[in-house]
Amino acid sequence: GQNIDQPTEMTATEGAIVQINCTYQTSGFNGLFWYQQHAGEAPTFLSYNVLDGLEEKGRFSSFLSRSKGYSYLLLKELQMKDSASYLCAVRVPALTFGKGTMLLVSP
Amino acid sequence: DTAVSQTPKYLVTQMGNDKSIKCEQNLGHDTMYWYKQDSKKFLKIMFSYNNKELIINETVPNRFSPKSPDKAHLNLHINSLELGDSAVYFCASSQPPDLAGEETQYFGPGTRLLVL
Repeated sequence: GQNIDQPTEMTATEGAIVQINCTYQTSGFNGLFWYQQHAGEAPTFLSYNVLDGLEEKGRFSSFLSRSKGYSYLLLKELQMKDSASYLCAVRVPALTFGKGTMLLVSP
Repeated sequence: DTAVSQTPKYLVTQMGNDKSIKCEQNLGHDTMYWYKQDSKKFLKIMFSYNNKELIINETVPNRFSPKSPDKAHLNLHINSLELGDSAVYFCASSQPPDLAGEETQYFGPGTRLLVL
């Protein structure tokens, strides 16, 4: 079976930095994705990693270590609008999602 | 213009009924998907079609039958609805991965199904 673990909830303050971790044990690996999902809305693509290392996109960065089955999403200069669920997904080949991390950003 | 659209947005129905959800994408993508997101927000793939051909069929009851009349449409028909079918159903589409393997999936707005 596939196992993708993320914390259920996290809280942070506006302007701060937060790191959301994801560990995975899957039967295959063909890339790791992070999606953002606001309440009542569809998931939207944030980042993709297939090689080890850090990918940076503006305020968001994503890191991957394939040997450790580990990734994190780093959000800098947090804004209130970043309050959402963050979904880690591994392409196995089908995209297999973790249960998501609900991030609450407070003033 | 909406990239991936689904109808209806809300669907409330009785147990035992048969219902359909429609999905259309105007992105010119070859691959389309159906996902189910349960009350605990767990998003799970159900089906994937590539150019009208079924390529992924996860362990889904055969009461669920996808149909792809053309590569821009993927509909989901559900027979004999059960209480446990209540969830949000998302359609998505994508192009084949690029040279780096990146394959962004674009999700529709979701259909909120409530079975009473």
